[in-house]
Amino acid sequence: SAVISQKPSRDICQRGTSLTIQCQVDSQVTMMFWYRQQPGQSLTLIATANQGSEATYESGFVIDKFPISRPNLTFSTLTVSNMSPEDSSIYLCSAWGQGAWTGELFFGEGSRLTVL
Amino acid sequence: ELKVEQNPLFLSMQEGKNYTIYCNYSTTSDRLYWYRQDPGKSLESLFVLLSNGAVKQEGRLMASLDTKARLSTLHITAAVHDLSATYFCAVEETSGSRLTFGEGTQLTVNP
Repeated sequence: SAVISQKPSRDICQRGTSLTIQCQVDSQVTMMFWYRQQPGQSLTLIATANQGSEATYESGFVIDKFPISRPNLTFSTLTVSNMSPEDSSIYLCSAWGQGAWTGELFFGEGSRLTVL
Repeated sequence: ELKVEQNPLFLSMQEGKNYTIYCNYSTTSDRLYWYRQDPGKSLESLFVLLSNGAVKQEGRLMASLDTKARLSTLHITAAVHDLSATYFCAVEETSGSRLTFGEGTQLTVNP
């Protein structure tokens, strides 16, 4: 299966600060996806990160708040900017499997952010 | 806009019982996924259903897909406590694109 590593796994942040989450995939993938899971809720897609182009954001999410980088085919970052308590969530990175795992979407372990 | 609805959202059942979780979606798709999430953990892939009539089984769980009815079911047979978790279905609109998730079904299996 695809191995997706995220850092940090959790953090406690102060209101008004920004935090960057890193996501590393063990194989080259075209698209990487960033999801948010608010407490007790389902997953909502923030944006799709394509290597070599700007990320595509879903309705309700903007680049100024959630800038994304995709410098190569195995790595992406998501920054949560100017955080407020409403940003307290689990942020999950995902990517489609390759080879024998084609057709399965794998997820990282998630980054649990608490904003005070 | 694709909508994915699960029911029930909360399910408390006794060990040994059978039950079915339903997943309805609003647009044409023949690619549906089931995931399990334990508290504080990420998502674990359970089943990938890629065609009408697809049925997959793993242990006490069986998933099926009816693309004409836009319905998938996750059937639990003789539940055990270890199955307690939140189960999500997710629909893929086009191949290789993003998934849209249902609200999740929080399953509690009581001894």
